[in-house]
Amino acid sequence: DAGVIQSPRHEVTEMGQEVTLRCKPISGHDYLFWYRQTMMRGLELLIYFNNNVPIDDSGMPEDRFSAKMPNASFSTLKIQPSEPRDSAVYFCASSLLGTDTQYFGPGTRLTVL
Amino acid sequence: AQSVAQPEDQVNVAEGNPLTVKCTYSVSGNPYLFWYVQYPNRGLQFLLKYITGDNLVKGSYGFEAEFNKSQTSFHLKKPSALVSDSALYFCAVRPSGNTPLVFGKGTRLSVIA
Repeated sequence: DAGVIQSPRHEVTEMGQEVTLRCKPISGHDYLFWYRQTMMRGLELLIYFNNNVPIDDSGMPEDRFSAKMPNASFSTLKIQPSEPRDSAVYFCASSLLGTDTQYFGPGTRLTVL
Repeated sequence: AQSVAQPEDQVNVAEGNPLTVKCTYSVSGNPYLFWYVQYPNRGLQFLLKYITGDNLVKGSYGFEAEFNKSQTSFHLKKPSALVSDSALYFCAVRPSGNTPLVFGKGTRLSVIA
C-alpha cells in the first residue's frame, strides 16, 4: 500500500485566496483525521470522519475552515479565505476500526503571505 | 479528561548512551498508549503501542517503552542511541474504543556524535 497520500506537499498563496488540501487514506481504513501542526500550538486535531461522516469538528478553528469526505478514498480540507495565521503543516491520518494505530501522510506545508 | 504530558521539550544524549524520553498520562479506564516519531519534513510514524499484556513493549528501530500503571507513565527508551534517532517524539493516549488519540506536545531528541 502507498500509505496516506496528501497533495500538494507545499502550497504558497496570498491572503484571501482559497486553499484546498487533499488526502487519500489507506485503502480499507474507515477513520480519517485532519491535524494542523505549528511551532506555537503543536499538533492539533481539526476534524475526524468515520465512514465518510464527520464525527467531531470541534477543533476546526473557525468558519473559514471546512472539510469534506465525499467517498472512502478522498477528503478535502478547505480554507476560504486564507489568512497568514493559517500557515502551518497540515497532516491527514487514517486508521482502521478495531485497530488503534493512526497512519499519517507526509503533510502539506501551507504558507499564506 | 484524558491528557498526556511530556515534561521535557528537549533531550540531549551522546551517541551510544542509553536514552529515555518521558511521558505521563491521565485517563479514565485502561489506556491505550502510543509513541510516534517525526523526522524533519515528514509525517508522524508509528513506533510502538501498549494496549494490554507485558508492561515492556518493543517497537521499531530498537525502541521500547515501559508501561507503569502506578506512576501513570509510559517512557520511551533505547539502550544505545544513534545520531539518526534525532527527531521529534510524541506520546499519545486513547481510552478504550476508537476515539481520537490525544498527543503530547512532543520532545525533541538530539543525539550528539
